[in-house]
Amino acid sequence: DSGVTQTPKHLITATGQRVTLRCSPRSGDLSVYWYQQSLDQGLQFLIQYYNGEERAKGNILERFSAQQFPDLHSELNLSSLELGDSALYFCASSGAVPDRRIATDTQYFGPGTRLTVL
Amino acid sequence: LAKTTQPISMDSYEGQEVNITCSHNNIATNDYITWYQQFPSQGPRFIIQGYKTKVTNEVASLFIPADRKSSTLSLPRVSLSDTAVYYCLVGVSNYGGSQGNLIFGKGTKLSVKP
Repeated sequence: DSGVTQTPKHLITATGQRVTLRCSPRSGDLSVYWYQQSLDQGLQFLIQYYNGEERAKGNILERFSAQQFPDLHSELNLSSLELGDSALYFCASSGAVPDRRIATDTQYFGPGTRLTVL
Repeated sequence: LAKTTQPISMDSYEGQEVNITCSHNNIATNDYITWYQQFPSQGPRFIIQGYKTKVTNEVASLFIPADRKSSTLSLPRVSLSDTAVYYCLVGVSNYGGSQGNLIFGKGTKLSVKP
């Protein structure tokens, strides 16, 4: 158990809909990362937040957005869903501080949310 | 961007040593190299991290040559439970306003046979 929790575990929805995925980081961790993993793809970095502020941005679509709240939990919002958005979405957390290279921090991954778009 | 390249798959037998190499030609000066292990339908798990030369912990060793353009994860005496996907990660700083991007390779699927 990494200490990172994600809800829900599974989500089935239809094209065009909007969903929200939730992540609670490990106690004390200030950084939250979101990743997408499709069946035939590796882990695609989407976005990172540190202490409520966006810190780094990857290949995140405009239909997707995220935020980190004062209690440090994070939500990933996916809208206008398409079939191709079906994937595992992972959240990870670390104790990254803003002046450190993000890759130097060990990330602790949650169990993931499996999104199926029908 | 420090793109990484790894073999897609590797096969091994129990008790053997396994070496997985990752190429990262465009690694930046201050980047660290981190390896993660992922079992099916689970989140990746940290294995080892290094900057140069050699790092060893209780589960693996990491060899990084002087030019740092590649790295090799070494798993001693693998068992069936080491069957997993192994990712090499090299990050890019978001200093100076440029966007950071954490580049995981597609990973190496290691199959350990009895």
